[in-house]
Amino acid sequence: ETGVTQSPTHLIKTRGQQVTLRCSSQSGHNTVSWYQQALGQGPQFIFQYYREEENGRGNFPPRFSGLQFPNYSSELNVNALELDDSALYLCASSGGREILNEQFFGPGTRLTVL
Amino acid sequence: DAKTTQPNSMESNEEEPVHLPCNHSTISGTDYIHWYRQLPSQGPEYVIHGLTSNVNNRMASLAIAEDRKSSTLILHRATLRDAAVYYCILFFSGNTPLVFGKGTRLSVIA
Repeated sequence: ETGVTQSPTHLIKTRGQQVTLRCSSQSGHNTVSWYQQALGQGPQFIFQYYREEENGRGNFPPRFSGLQFPNYSSELNVNALELDDSALYLCASSGGREILNEQFFGPGTRLTVL
Repeated sequence: DAKTTQPNSMESNEEEPVHLPCNHSTISGTDYIHWYRQLPSQGPEYVIHGLTSNVNNRMASLAIAEDRKSSTLILHRATLRDAAVYYCILFFSGNTPLVFGKGTRLSVIA
């Protein structure tokens, strides 16, 4: 069973640029959630996708957007990057709409905005 | 906002039991208590969850107060690999996401 993978591992961008982060869900999972984790803080929920549709969103501006594909892999896109977007971006997959069961997290993508 | 309160940090000796407390005085009857941990340079991983009764699994035990306003994660014999940030999270089944606080940073001393 393959776990959750994310790419790239690290990324450096400059302010104003756009970035796309990728996540491959654990086999058999149809729900993916994205989180942003600033240094020294707990992860903060960005949004969730269930069967290719956005299924919930946290307090993040519209320049944070996402996609989920038929194979349940996912992308997080961030436009007009700001310095405060520097963080670890985590994706987590789970088995269904009812996420009482555990979420499986990837190792994250470390984004640095200069 | 996180609805749980945890100490910022705790320290334990290797092979000693560790009790990680969590207060959740505003818990509702439908909230489950979940614990996740985040090892250095990794994403969080699920540890255990419970509703009302104490729970045991291969990683840890979860003791839940009778009024459910607090809980304790118990690591029976801490190892160096258990050094991590431990998050106590209230979770309502459905589409609600995990709401993380700052967690407790556990240090394990050899």
